[in-house]
Amino acid sequence: DIQMTQSPSFLSATVGDRVTINCKASQNINKYLNWYQQKLGEAPKRLIYNTNSLQTGIPSRFSGSGSGTDYTLTISSLQPEDVATYFCLQHNSGYTFGAGTKLELK
Amino acid sequence: EVQLVESGGGLVQPGASLKLSCVASGFTFSDYWMSWVRQTPGKTMEWIGDIKYDGSYTNYAPSLKNRFTISRDNAKSTLYLQMSNVRSEDTATYYCTRALFDYWGQGVMVTVSS
Repeated sequence: DIQMTQSPSFLSATVGDRVTINCKASQNINKYLNWYQQKLGEAPKRLIYNTNSLQTGIPSRFSGSGSGTDYTLTISSLQPEDVATYFCLQHNSGYTFGAGTKLELK
Repeated sequence: EVQLVESGGGLVQPGASLKLSCVASGFTFSDYWMSWVRQTPGKTMEWIGDIKYDGSYTNYAPSLKNRFTISRDNAKSTLYLQMSNVRSEDTATYYCTRALFDYWGQGVMVTVSS
C-alpha cells in the first residue's frame, strides 16, 4: 500500500503570505495526486487534480506541483477565507489520503 | 449544480447493522462510478470502496470488504453503504463522492457505542 506523509500538520500564517503544504508518497505515484480543502462543517472541496490542474472555479492563487514521490500545494497570497484543513489524495494505486494540514491565520 | 446528500447515520450498538444512503442530483448519476470515504474523529480519511456506474462491479478496502457492501439504484440516483457487525472503530463521518473524488457530500455521522 502507498503511504502519504503530509507536512506540516499545523500552519499559522498571515494574510498575504505564500503558503506551501507538502505530501510525500512512499513510492512513485506518477502525478496522480489531488488536493482538497475542508472547512469546518463543510464537504471537502477539490482544489487541484493530477498534481497541477486547477479545479474549475478555484482561485488562481492555488497551485500544485511535484512529481515522483514529492508534491506541493501552494497558496500564493493567503486570504482569510483560506482558513481550512487541506489534505492530499493519491490515486495512482488504490486511494490513500494525507493526514491533513490545519491552516490558521496568525 | 452537483449535490450529494447522505443520510441514515446515527448511534448504533456494536454488532448491529446500518445502511447509509446518498442521493445524487445535478448530474447523470448512471454515468459515474461512485465511492464512499470515511473520516475518523481524529480526522484520518479512509477510502471504503467504490461501485461501477451500472452497479456491476465493486471494489473495497481489504480491511472492510467482509463487513461493508456498496450498492446503487440508478433509477433513484441513490448510492448505498450497508454496514454490518459494526465496531467502535467504525465511528466516523461517512462521505459519498463522485468518481475521482471531484464532488463530495456533506457527510453523515455514525457513532458505534453501547
